[in-house]
Amino acid sequence: DTGVSQDPRHKITKRGQNVTFRCDPISEHNRLYWYRQTLGQGPEFLTYFQNEAQLEKSRLLSDRFSAERPKGSFSTLEIQRTEQGDSAMYLCASSSFFERSGYNEQFFGPGTRLTVL
Amino acid sequence: GENVEQHPSTLSVQEGDSAVIKCTYSDSASNYFPWYKQELGKRPQLIIDIRSNVGEKKDQRIAVTLNKTAKHFSLHITETQPEDSAVYFCAARAYSSASKIIFGSGTRLSIRP
Repeated sequence: DTGVSQDPRHKITKRGQNVTFRCDPISEHNRLYWYRQTLGQGPEFLTYFQNEAQLEKSRLLSDRFSAERPKGSFSTLEIQRTEQGDSAMYLCASSSFFERSGYNEQFFGPGTRLTVL
Repeated sequence: GENVEQHPSTLSVQEGDSAVIKCTYSDSASNYFPWYKQELGKRPQLIIDIRSNVGEKKDQRIAVTLNKTAKHFSLHITETQPEDSAVYFCAARAYSSASKIIFGSGTRLSIRP
């Protein structure tokens, strides 16, 4: 599978611990997105990058959450002082966007399932 | 804020029959409407999308219609097959953000043999 990859696929942690997830987008894609999906719901937008610049953050993203994409390739999402309410599937997606062609399809990764005990 | 509502939440149809899923959106400036299929334990995958400059788009057994005036759009699956069983999400791109997509809450489609 040469699509979007995420690591780890599953993470179990105790409340109060910090966790970090990694996303590797499709190599030629300049945009990278993070979503959170809870059971029975659609993905909720968290943040997105164009190259290394973080262009938008959702109000859902509290100050315990931080995302980076330092070299415009892979991205990390860190959650500090995890809470039980953070338990969810964290999905990463990537797309290519160029002014001439406009918006393009977002391809999703397999997700990281976080369980906070 | 922007909102996408999706109905029904669950849908069961006989194999070979048609399935219809409906969505409404709140942001009248939305201009892109993708539909994603998510099988159990797998990632969402785009199955069809429509832009606001057209009213209908078809791809084999799948079609999507868009009514901009009423701000609603629908997914139609004809001649359903067992492999169509999955959760389907509609979505809309909020004009205020060039890339943020707002998803509906999903429809769990089951195909009865």
